[in-house]
Amino acid sequence: GQQVMQIPQYQHVQEGEDFTTYCNSSTTLSNIQWYKQRPGGHPVFLIQLVKSGEVKKQKRLTFQFGEAKKNSSLHITATQTTDVGTYFCAGMRNSGGSNYKLTFGKGTLLTVNP
Amino acid sequence: DSGVTQTPKHLITATGQRVTLRCSPRSGDLSVYWYQQSLDQGLQFLIQYYNGEERAKGNILERFSAQQFPDLHSELNLSSLELGDSALYFCASSPRTLVGTNTEAFFGQGTRLTVV
Repeated sequence: GQQVMQIPQYQHVQEGEDFTTYCNSSTTLSNIQWYKQRPGGHPVFLIQLVKSGEVKKQKRLTFQFGEAKKNSSLHITATQTTDVGTYFCAGMRNSGGSNYKLTFGKGTLLTVNP
Repeated sequence: DSGVTQTPKHLITATGQRVTLRCSPRSGDLSVYWYQQSLDQGLQFLIQYYNGEERAKGNILERFSAQQFPDLHSELNLSSLELGDSALYFCASSPRTLVGTNTEAFFGQGTRLTVV
């Protein structure tokens, strides 16, 4: 079945440093989504990328979708302590008709040292 | 608040027992997903329903079952519980999924199940 691999599993940075997490799918995706889960919380939707090669920015966060629509990355510039949490990518794949299946990566836990 | 309601928030039960977790999706969302989250396994997709019909199955054990009712709420039934079933169970809902429309999932707060 479809697999979504995410690396690294953990990343610890000093406040102000940059951070990047990478996501790779074994199959071509309809879209890719990114979620953030704060410690003790639930996953919260950040963004969705649909087009091949798409790049979207949200303040210090930059999201990219690969040309082949099989990989993606999230880059945070100048991390802050509020960025702490686990970042998940989730690949959406059409599995027939109007049915879509969302598969999550295992996530990258980001900790930031103030 | 995501608009997805899960009950109960916490559940403690003994091995061998059966429990039912309930989820009310966002108003208008037809798709419901169930996920299991444990420390070592991340977010494991269990099952998806769309407008009352099962559409996709993930790593769901035979001891687990789910259904989506005509009012679109969903229940996840866990039976013959084992210690290893202790986890956070999330329900998520998403809008009707058509090509070109947003398909993001909105998560509930989760039900923390502890099997003792």
